[in-house]
Amino acid sequence: DADVTQTPRNRITKTGKRIMLECSQTKGHDRMYWYRQDPGLGLRLIYYSFDVKDINKGEISDGYSVSRQAQAKFSLSLESAIPNQTALYFCATSDKGQDGYTFGSGTRLTVV
Amino acid sequence: RKEVEQDPGPFNVPEGATVAFNCTYSNSASQSFFWYRQDCRKEPKLLMSVYSSGNEDGRFTAQLNRASQYISLLIRDSKLSDSATYLCVVRTHTGGFKTIFGAGTRLFVKA
Repeated sequence: DADVTQTPRNRITKTGKRIMLECSQTKGHDRMYWYRQDPGLGLRLIYYSFDVKDINKGEISDGYSVSRQAQAKFSLSLESAIPNQTALYFCATSDKGQDGYTFGSGTRLTVV
Repeated sequence: RKEVEQDPGPFNVPEGATVAFNCTYSNSASQSFFWYRQDCRKEPKLLMSVYSSGNEDGRFTAQLNRASQYISLLIRDSKLSDSATYLCVVRTHTGGFKTIFGAGTRLFVKA
C-alpha cells in the first residue's frame, strides 16, 4: 500500500457542488499539506497542519476548507466548486524538521 | 518577480550527456532547499536535499550558492529514464513556515 493515499483519483463535478478530497498516511508523520498544481505554475499551498489541533491557511485557501480528523487523515473540501478550481490536487506529509515531502498520487479534479 | 524561478526548458539532450539546471530564489532568509522529480501526471518525488557544502548522489550533484541565491542540479551520464520535470523547492522557517515550489524544468533525454 502507498504511504500516502488520496481518494478519489479522478473526479468530475458540477459548479456549485460540495466535494471532499481525502488523504490518509501510514508514514506516522505529524505534518500534512494540501497543494494544487496548475499547468505552468508551481505547486501552491492551500492548507497545512502540523498536528491534529493545528490548521493553517496557505497562500490560496479561499474557497477551500480542511479537517484533520486524526494524525493520519487530512481532508480537503470545496464548499461550492467553481471551474477555476479545476486542477491536480496533491496531499503531502513530512516529519518535523528539515525533511522533504512524501506526496500522494494526486486527485485530478474537473469542475464543469 | 517570482519567489522561485526556473528555466522551464525543455532541455533536449542525448543519452550520456551532462545537463545542469539552475534555480534562483528571492528570499535571503530561505533555509532549506530541495530538488524533486515529477513524471508526467504523477506526484513529485524527492530527488535530493541541497546542503550548503554541496552534495552528490550517484550521477546527481546539487549545489547551493547563498550569496547569489541560487541552487543547481547537475546530472551526469544522462539516461532515458531521467526524462522528467525537475522542481526546485525553497523553504523558509523564519517569520512563519513557507515552502515555495518552482514551476519546474522539463528534461527530455533521447537515444
